[in-house]
Amino acid sequence: DTGVSQDPRHKITKRGQNVTFRCDPISEHNRLYWYRQTLGQGPEFLTYFQNEAQLEKSRLLSDRFSAERPKGSFSTLEIQRTEQGDSAMYLCASTDIRVNTGELFFGEGSRLTVL
Amino acid sequence: DAKTTQPNSMESNEEEPVHLPCNHSTISGTDYIHWYRQLPSQGPEYVIHGLTSNVNNRMASLAIAEDRKSSTLILHRATLRDAAVYYCILRTFGYNKLIFGAGTRLAVHP
Repeated sequence: DTGVSQDPRHKITKRGQNVTFRCDPISEHNRLYWYRQTLGQGPEFLTYFQNEAQLEKSRLLSDRFSAERPKGSFSTLEIQRTEQGDSAMYLCASTDIRVNTGELFFGEGSRLTVL
Repeated sequence: DAKTTQPNSMESNEEEPVHLPCNHSTISGTDYIHWYRQLPSQGPEYVIHGLTSNVNNRMASLAIAEDRKSSTLILHRATLRDAAVYYCILRTFGYNKLIFGAGTRLAVHP
């Protein structure tokens, strides 16, 4: 499977714990995005990377959230001191801006439940 | 970011055509119209996009109004697998970030 893969698919944690999600984009895709989606809503943009550089962060990304893409390949999204309001689906997407069709390829998401 | 307006929900019968409308009255000349859909428990997937002319691909057709202030996604023969949330999104040329609204939830009845 050469699509975007995310791990874990499901995570249940207790309030106050830290969690980390991993995203492996499609090979050679230079841009990677993180989105968050709550029930009944469309995905909300969190942040994106151009290769290893984090170029934009949404105001939704509080200081408890940190994202990295250390070698311009896979990315991690860490949430520290989780709160119940962090319960959501975290989606990763990638694209190759050299192609510039604007098409984003999404993974199946990592669902977080904070108890 | 330019906004789009879509109905919250629509219904269709299997094997009938479906026309999903989208209004984007504040669209600018460099905005592309993108459609994505999200099947239950999956991430969004690209459906189609266009700038000014109508577009066809294996999944759907996109009809764009002459003034570009509205567009319609056309599924020619709905199947049960087409039941999903459909998002109409404007993307500024050279800028790949997509801003999603709430979309239209399409129900397809056998």
